[in-house]
Amino acid sequence: AQSVSQHNHHVILSEAASLELGCNYSYGGTVNLFWYVQYPGQHLQLLLKYFSGDPLVKGIKGFEAEFIKSKFSFNLRKPSVQWSDTAEYFCAVNAQGTYKYIFGTGTRLKVLA
Amino acid sequence: SAVISQKPSRDICQRGTSLTIQCQVDSQVTMMFWYRQQPGQSLTLIATANQGSEATYESGFVIDKFPISRPNLTFSTLTVSNMSPEDSSIYLCSVAAGGNYGYTFGSGTRLTVV
Repeated sequence: AQSVSQHNHHVILSEAASLELGCNYSYGGTVNLFWYVQYPGQHLQLLLKYFSGDPLVKGIKGFEAEFIKSKFSFNLRKPSVQWSDTAEYFCAVNAQGTYKYIFGTGTRLKVLA
Repeated sequence: SAVISQKPSRDICQRGTSLTIQCQVDSQVTMMFWYRQQPGQSLTLIATANQGSEATYESGFVIDKFPISRPNLTFSTLTVSNMSPEDSSIYLCSVAAGGNYGYTFGSGTRLTVV
């Protein structure tokens, strides 16, 4: 069965620190990969997505993620975080050709000003 | 991308009662999805609602507990029936943005059952 693991449940960083959030998935076939963000009091928003091609994808607000197929990973990165990046981040996977998404348990990021 | 209006945004309900959550989309969509996000946990798909057919429920979710209506291509409701405190969660409506382009989510309904 498909599953998604996010290793860090809570992360606290100071502004300007670099960020990397881990995401590993378990699925033998071809997948699409997503990162969603939920800012306090707001709904889930798509941050970035990977379907195929260049394994390094860039999203909004300076975020990027790298798909490493051999490691079944899709880690989210940002070189310098801001206070406004405080949010909960969810990794999600779906098998290509299907609409069912599997979400990770989320990582709560708090950025200290 | 589609804009979703979901209501109510929150409610506190007595156990044994039912709550119907509404989801309105500003464009026609074939598939609508209902998710549950329990405290401290991830999103879990409850069911997929297609217009003109019965909803498809995921393992662990049944129609008697979570009846869904999909009367047209822009609207759906989810009812949480005979509620217990274990049903306290955030319930989210979402639609597929086309192909593999990710979901768009509503703002969610935060349900507390007392």
